[in-house]
Amino acid sequence: LAKTTQPISMDSYEGQEVNITCSHNNIATNDYITWYQQFPSQGPRFIIQGYKTKVTNEVASLFIPADRKSSTLSLPRVSLSDTAVYYCLVVTGGGNKLTFGTGTQLKVEL
Amino acid sequence: EPEVTQTPSHQVTQMGQEVILRCVPISNHLYFYWYRQILGQKVEFLVSFYNNEISEKSEIFDDQFSVERPDGSNFTLKIRSTKLEDSAMYFCASSESASFYNEQFFGPGTRLTVL
Repeated sequence: LAKTTQPISMDSYEGQEVNITCSHNNIATNDYITWYQQFPSQGPRFIIQGYKTKVTNEVASLFIPADRKSSTLSLPRVSLSDTAVYYCLVVTGGGNKLTFGTGTQLKVEL
Repeated sequence: EPEVTQTPSHQVTQMGQEVILRCVPISNHLYFYWYRQILGQKVEFLVSFYNNEISEKSEIFDDQFSVERPDGSNFTLKIRSTKLEDSAMYFCASSESASFYNEQFFGPGTRLTVL
């Protein structure tokens, strides 16, 4: 399973765009890139998933370059409530376990 | 919006006691999982369950642990003889299918405290 590397923490201010980059150099052909969010004392929550190029939903965008060795989660106009830990995961197919790293602690301030 | 529920939210037990953590996955989901998170540490996979049997388990999931789907709605995790190091948040999750779109829906967790 491809190992992921992401920054331990990031700080931002309300209204800013936040980009969290994750590297996954050993990603395999069948792997997808998935991001989860976790608030303190809550279960992780799915944000977005992609295979290549760009994916956008109502919450975030995910940018994946052609070589797929990295990905960037983009959160537009963050608010205080976006303060959470963000996990980048590489997943292979459905029904399989999720392997969480330490994630990126995003802190949003006024 | 359908959600995964877990009971109890907090369980305190004495070392050596048996505990059962309960989960109700989303009704049309077929894959079920347990994860745990020791305070301040990573979320760790314990076990996955499909078609009434374990499909994968981690090294953490030793003989002290068992899972069961006793009826059409509940999914339980039993720890036979709890140890201090079992203190953690336990999360149940479920997913709909084995498609590439592997969104797992997590419950709110049960905080297990072993004294």
